[in-house]
Amino acid sequence: EAGVVQSPRYKIIEKKQPVAFWCNPISGHNTLYWYRQNLGQGPELLIRYENEEAVDDSQLPKDRFSAERLKGVDSTLKIQPAELGDSAVYLCASSASGATEAFFGQGTRLTVV
Amino acid sequence: KNEVEQSPQNLTAQEGEFITINCSYSVGISALHWLQQHPGGGIVSLFMLSSGKKKHGRLIATINIQEKHSSLHITASHPRDSAVYICAVDGTDKLIFGTGTRLQVFP
Repeated sequence: EAGVVQSPRYKIIEKKQPVAFWCNPISGHNTLYWYRQNLGQGPELLIRYENEEAVDDSQLPKDRFSAERLKGVDSTLKIQPAELGDSAVYLCASSASGATEAFFGQGTRLTVV
Repeated sequence: KNEVEQSPQNLTAQEGEFITINCSYSVGISALHWLQQHPGGGIVSLFMLSSGKKKHGRLIATINIQEKHSSLHITASHPRDSAVYICAVDGTDKLIFGTGTRLQVFP
């Protein structure tokens, strides 16, 4: 069975440009997470979905970040406009409802220049 | 102060050495995770613990709930074990991550 799939793996953009990341969770996993990981740091939760509902987006910078999970399966995370400080690895994870073990994707490494 | 503290931050070892990475936390948890992250790669879950000890191959993880402490041990370390090891705890509705321990094992 395929794990959590993210694309693209790498993205380099100029500041002020928009960027989007895509995540396909493990089939049947209702919970989906987006994390941001800065160099040398642990992942930081940006948003958590239960099915199509965002149940925790308290750490999402809403002025420039947005996320959606239409139909409760795939999810996209968007940044518009990107800033230099947004350079990081963006990780997607999923878990089954009620379970505590999350499975992570390979991440998207974003570089804003 | 971080809710999850790992030590050491960086660790260098010779192939074959026994390695220990420590994790202390200050919040109530339902489970603790040890994760492995290779350079440029995603995160792989190694263990999920709520009590006692688990073993998988050369990896052993222990947790002491009363002391709020967990350790990850690697026996007979190998260069392919070089990675960042992250401790994460299940707090209220979300994972809280440590900053990771960067391990390098040299031949």
